[in-house]
Amino acid sequence: QVQLVQSGAEVKKPGASVKVSCKASGYTFFSYTIHWLRQAPGQRPEWMGWINTDNGNTRYSQKFQGRLTITKDTGASTAYMELDSLISEDTAVYYCSRGPVDTALNDVWGQGTMVNVSS
Amino acid sequence: DIQMTQSPSTLSASVGDRVTITCRASQSINKWLAWYQQKPGKAPKLLVYDASTLETGVPSRFSGSGSGTDFTLTISSLQPDDFATYYCQQYQTYSFAFGQGTNLDIK
Repeated sequence: QVQLVQSGAEVKKPGASVKVSCKASGYTFFSYTIHWLRQAPGQRPEWMGWINTDNGNTRYSQKFQGRLTITKDTGASTAYMELDSLISEDTAVYYCSRGPVDTALNDVWGQGTMVNVSS
Repeated sequence: DIQMTQSPSTLSASVGDRVTITCRASQSINKWLAWYQQKPGKAPKLLVYDASTLETGVPSRFSGSGSGTDFTLTISSLQPDDFATYYCQQYQTYSFAFGQGTNLDIK
């Protein structure tokens, strides 16, 4: 079945970086865009950015421009999200999701990765 | 940026009830609206896309309607598995915002 499996929980200090992986299975990886979203405790989900898994083009929310990098390894059917210069307000569950090419519809989600930023 | 506002924020209902959740966009998003269901500790699950198209496998008691700025999600007869938080999301224009959520709980 179609599945997105994310890497495990992370604890980081302020100023550090975090890199989360998202491995896809059950479908052709480059036929769908991969999105990254996050959800702080008790808050609504927030779209962060996407990667076109066919041509590698990325688009980022202005909020994260300059400290967010989304990459892919097509051979491994895996996408990555790296967020730099972490602050406590970055504490959240980070999700990858799949959607039709170059749209922000999310039809399959990963299980989520908790990132806790604390000194 | 387009803002999404849901109402109500909390809704108490009983099994078998018909419930409606509304979502309003700050400007027209045509039909580019999705509804998601989220349970505690789980990822959101897509229920409806393009405002009114039911995702494969979603029970027919769920339905969506609307276009432009005003949208609704209706559950025709609540089942125990439906008590959860529901979010709308616009996917016409950056920043692809979500509504603040509607927590549907048992009366």
